[in-house]
Amino acid sequence: EAQVTQNPRYLITVTGKKLTVTCSQNMNHEYMSWYRQDPGLGLRQIYYSMNVEVTDKGDVPEGYKVSRKEKRNFPLILESPSPNQTSLYFCASSLKWQGEDFRNTQYFGPGTRLTVL
Amino acid sequence: AQSVAQPEDQVNVAEGNPLTVKCTYSVSGNPYLFWYVQYPNRGLQFLLKYITGDNLVKGSYGFEAEFNKSQTSFHLKKPSALVSDSALYFCAVRPHYGGATNKLIFGTGTLLAVQP
Repeated sequence: EAQVTQNPRYLITVTGKKLTVTCSQNMNHEYMSWYRQDPGLGLRQIYYSMNVEVTDKGDVPEGYKVSRKEKRNFPLILESPSPNQTSLYFCASSLKWQGEDFRNTQYFGPGTRLTVL
Repeated sequence: AQSVAQPEDQVNVAEGNPLTVKCTYSVSGNPYLFWYVQYPNRGLQFLLKYITGDNLVKGSYGFEAEFNKSQTSFHLKKPSALVSDSALYFCAVRPHYGGATNKLIFGTGTLLAVQP
């Protein structure tokens, strides 16, 4: 089954304790992205990756890191989590963009609910 | 600033009645428009998209949406609501940035509640 998976689905941690949320897709998609969802704000992009070893900041990158060493995986790293990073996180992927053609649908993972105490 | 508005936090409708979830956008150029649905404790599921062509787009689970360029709207509709349609619905737009982010701009979501 074609899908985007995330782990863990739920995580409660404390301020300053480094954590990683994994994301993996089995659709051979070049493009991957991380969003956070907060009440009243919708989803906002954190980081994205156009392909292996190519990443860039989205709208709210502060406090996050990413890496793209393999095509299928795009982990989100919080080096020193803080309470304002308590949120619901989604990973997404889509086929490669071509020029100005961004028609390809982005498919989302099930989400990771993170609580930072 | 480019944005998407979903003016209703919640829409209530009786089962069997038609439903509409509203979405308006403000972007430069011709946008690509999407609807996603989020069921409780589930991820976002793609419903439908408008890229070009016919303004009426049909998607999954009997949903459809109408693109109206003059009103900059992309309202989601269904002729007959089901209780199982109850969920959180997000409208999103992919504007022409001239860049490579492929970022979707999301609305704040509309909770659809279908009463039996």
